[in-house]
Order: sequence, then structure tokens, then C-alpha cells
Amino acid sequence: KAGVTQTPRYLIKTRGQQVTLSCSPISGHRSVSWYQQTPGQGLQFLFEYFSETQRNKGNFPGRFSGRQFSNSRSEMNVSTLELGDSALYLCASGQPGDYEQYFGPGTRLTVT
Amino acid sequence: GIQVEQSPPDLILQEGANSTLRCNFSDSVNNLQWFHQNPWGQLINLFYIPSGTKQNGRLSATTVATERYSLLYISSSQTTDSGVYFCAATGFQKLVFGTGTRLLVSP
Repeated sequence: KAGVTQTPRYLIKTRGQQVTLSCSPISGHRSVSWYQQTPGQGLQFLFEYFSETQRNKGNFPGRFSGRQFSNSRSEMNVSTLELGDSALYLCASGQPGDYEQYFGPGTRLTVT
Repeated sequence: GIQVEQSPPDLILQEGANSTLRCNFSDSVNNLQWFHQNPWGQLINLFYIPSGTKQNGRLSATTVATERYSLLYISSSQTTDSGVYFCAATGFQKLVFGTGTRLLVSP
């Protein structure tokens, strides 16, 4: 079974631009979560989607948004990029009724 | 909300040595996972262990849920074990991560 995939793997953007990251969960998994990892803040939860509905959101500004499609694929969008948004963005998926989460390889975003 | 603490923050070992990493969590949890973050950033699942003991090769883990801690044991360490080890506990539909233990295994 294929693992969680994320695209693109690397991205360089300029301050003020916006970016969209994509995550395809493991086949059969309907829950997708997003996390941001920075050296200063560690791994922080962004949001979680299940059956196209956002069930939980972390403490991030409204510039961070996401959505999930009917095939469980998810995208997250960051608008008006700031230097502090430079981070590794990780996506995880899980099965209904199972708490174990599986992570993708991540998208490394650099904002210049 | 749930808080997760890991110790030690850094660990340096010679190849062949054994080590124990600790994870304390502040509340009862439905899930406790251990991950190894590889040099490229991917989190590799090591154990899903809300309670009890599991073993996988040279690695084993024990979670004592009633005392709110989990231990990861690495035996006969190898240079490929180097990296950052995270434990994470499930809060409300999200994983709460510790700050990690950075392990360096030297030949």
C-alpha cells in the first residue's frame, strides 16, 4: 500500500505570495492532519479534516487554511507569506476509529 | 490540554551502546506514538503504544498509562539510529508532540 504523499517536496516563495501544498493520504484513510515544524516552535498542529470537514484547528492565523476533497486528498494554503512561515509542513493520515497516524515526507517551504 | 515532555534532549552514544528515552505526558491519552525523524524530515513510525510493551528488533517501547510515561529502548545502537526521536500523544483529534531527543551514535 502506498504511503502518504506530499507535493511539492521543496518550495521557495517570496514574502507576500501565497502557496498551496497538497497531501494524498494512504488509500482508505479518511482523516488528514497538517503540522508545521520549525526549529523554534517544534511540531505544531495546524488542522485536521475528516470526510471533507474540518474537525479541529490549531492556533494559527487565518492566513493558514485547508480543505479536503471527496477522495480524501487535502490541500493547505498559506496566503500573504511571511518569513516566519518558513518551515517543514507535514501531513498525516489515519483510519476511522484508529488513533495511529502516518506521516508523509513533508514539504519544505522557504520564504525569502 | 495535553503536554508532552521528553528527556534527555540530547544523547551521544558509541556504537553498540544501549539507551533509554523517556516521554512523560500530562493527562490520560488514547494514543502514544514514537517516531524517528530521518535526515530528510520524514517521521517514521516506530511504535503505536497506548499501553503495554512492544518490541521490534533492537527497539522496544513500554507505556505505563496509569503513571503517564513511556520509554523507548534502543539496544546495540548503530550509526543509522542517529536522528531525532519524538513521542506524541493524542489530544482532541490531534497529536501533541514532545520536543524530541536528538541522538547521535558515533562509530
